[in-house]
Amino acid sequence: GDSVTQMEGPVTLSEEAFLTINCTYTATGYPSLFWYVQYPGEGLQLLLKATKADDKGSNKGFEATYRKETTSFHLEKGSVQVSDSAVYFCALSDSGGGADGLTFGKGTHLIIQP
Amino acid sequence: GAVVSQHPSWVICKSGTSVKIECRSLDFQATTMFWYRQFPKQSLMLMATSNEGSKATYEQGVEKDKFLINHASLTLSTLTVTSAHPEDSSFYICSAVTDEYSNQPQHFGDGTRLSIL
Repeated sequence: GDSVTQMEGPVTLSEEAFLTINCTYTATGYPSLFWYVQYPGEGLQLLLKATKADDKGSNKGFEATYRKETTSFHLEKGSVQVSDSAVYFCALSDSGGGADGLTFGKGTHLIIQP
Repeated sequence: GAVVSQHPSWVICKSGTSVKIECRSLDFQATTMFWYRQFPKQSLMLMATSNEGSKATYEQGVEKDKFLINHASLTLSTLTVTSAHPEDSSFYICSAVTDEYSNQPQHFGDGTRLSIL
């Protein structure tokens, strides 16, 4: 079945550092890929998504590129802020995300220190 | 933006009781809602998919008689954990989508933490 593997946390960085959170997946067919973020005390929010190979999703300075050849969807940000501290989930869907449930990674807790 | 409300946010009850969790889409009609379960330091696991007016589709290994799902309207789905036991303690999260064919993302509730004593 489908699965998502993302790097274990917590990841602790200083403000303005470069961020990479690795995510790889296994799936049949051509899944859509997502990054969700969960800020403290809040529910999951969609951060960005990509629906086909070589697509780049971007939002709030975060980017991730759908790499079919390496089955990866790594999350990056050039300069993190304290407000980026949250738990980040990589996820996939066999459809566009509406018809099927999502398969999630375990989540990566990101801590940004001032 | 689309808002999904989940209630209650936290519940503690005795073993053997049944607990109902509500998931409401506040500003849109949700044709499909999903229920997930999350154990500590684990990923969210899909439990079931519910479509308004029809029976829920459960994932393999999820007991239908244990986790009763009702999606009676386009804005409300309920998950009832029947005869709950300590092993049912977990974090339950719902999500909703406006149109399963429109490639729209899922909108998540804030989750319900269930503790069974």
